Amino acid sequence: SQKIEQNSEALNIQEGKTATLTCNYTNYSPAYLQWYRQDPGRGPVFLLLIRENEKEKRKERLKVTFDTTLKQSLFHITASQPADSATYLCALLTGGGNKLTFGTGTQLKVEL
Amino acid sequence: EAEVAQSPRYKITEKSQAVAFWCDPISGHATLYWYRQILGQGPELLVQFQDESVVDDSQLPKDRFSAERLKGVDSTLKIQPAELGDSAMYLCASSHSGGADTGELFFGEGSRLTVL
Repeated sequence: SQKIEQNSEALNIQEGKTATLTCNYTNYSPAYLQWYRQDPGRGPVFLLLIRENEKEKRKERLKVTFDTTLKQSLFHITASQPADSATYLCALLTGGGNKLTFGTGTQLKVEL
Repeated sequence: EAEVAQSPRYKITEKSQAVAFWCDPISGHATLYWYRQILGQGPELLVQFQDESVVDDSQLPKDRFSAERLKGVDSTLKIQPAELGDSAMYLCASSHSGGADTGELFFGEGSRLTVL
């Protein structure tokens, strides 16, 4: 069956450290993968998109890697801040390229 | 900055009642999506429109849910009758294009439904 898996347990880290979140998928061949941030009670907000032929993408303190062999994407936030605390969702373009399917999300808590 | 508008933000209803949600996408966005998000889970696609046409409604429970986008602009999602298991956040999103060119999705703030 097709699955998109993200750590269900919350990730707690100290301010200033690098947070690393994982997105694993099975039985998909996505053309690209996206990461979104979602605050409680709000809609998701787009962060980054990485295509299947790209290994790494950066935006300010954010870095995303995409390994189509391992079927995994890693999402890094460097020099993390309490304001980075939120749920982070990965999403794959699936269904023959017509459908964006989301993972369950990982909650990140950055502590002082 | 352009935003996706949704209403109502919150809706409490009793089971077996009818409920409707409205979405106005960003101007010029051809593709409109309705997602359902149960607490602690990721958004699940219910229906996707390209202009006024349905592209994907494979996960829409058609016995009780309906969606329309008559003029290819704003959209309405209806549930009749509502069931306890329908309690969730209903998210509307839009994108400039769809299919293989789908870029980022712009989400509204969502409509939180509680069915009693």
